[in-house]
Amino acid sequence: SQQGEEDPQALSIQEGENATMNCSYKTSINNLQWYRQNSGRGLVHLILIRSNEREKHSGRLRVTLDTSKKSSSLLITASRAADTASYFCATDSGAGSYQLTFGKGTKLSVIP
Amino acid sequence: SQTIHQWPATLVQPVGSPLSLECTVEGTSNPNLYWYRQAAGRGLQLLFYSVGIGQISSEVPQNLSASRPQDRQFILSSKKLLLSDSGFYLCAWNRFFDEQYFGPGTRLTVT
Repeated sequence: SQQGEEDPQALSIQEGENATMNCSYKTSINNLQWYRQNSGRGLVHLILIRSNEREKHSGRLRVTLDTSKKSSSLLITASRAADTASYFCATDSGAGSYQLTFGKGTKLSVIP
Repeated sequence: SQTIHQWPATLVQPVGSPLSLECTVEGTSNPNLYWYRQAAGRGLQLLFYSVGIGQISSEVPQNLSASRPQDRQFILSSKKLLLSDSGFYLCAWNRFFDEQYFGPGTRLTVT
């Protein structure tokens, strides 16, 4: 079953602008992760935020987590054409589960 | 450093033919291994995972099976492919159930 749902499904911005993607999930989690997928390629891990964290930064990426609203956001600042890709959130429900449940992704297009 | 390989990169197979996709990991030992399928424009669906040699867990009933004959080798198989088996197959690994590391994927088209 689908746990994470990204919003919007597609986003088109100009180079240099910020891009914000949102993820909502349904059940309690241990951690939430964001991945990037370039067209026709494997996924690349971007950042992991644990359930007891509220915000995390990595370079131009900023992730927030609101466990009360069961939602997360990924902000990419000063976007570049190379950021064009699909972005997925994935949740780990913990309790010994080995499963990451992925959303359908947000397709980001950064126009030079 | 760790590396994950998948082959073949692309595959076109007729309905009813067998399938074997291979995934190997280098540079680590006793990894957790995963097979996912991604339909066009969709998220990833977990098919199988393995925490050790010979230990396979299936997440969804399907026409596929998986095996782990060696510590760092994970194989996805089918005896008879269906049209619905078409998709992008991704292998992934991790050690401690946090971030996963993905291979480059295999694009399977069943005709």
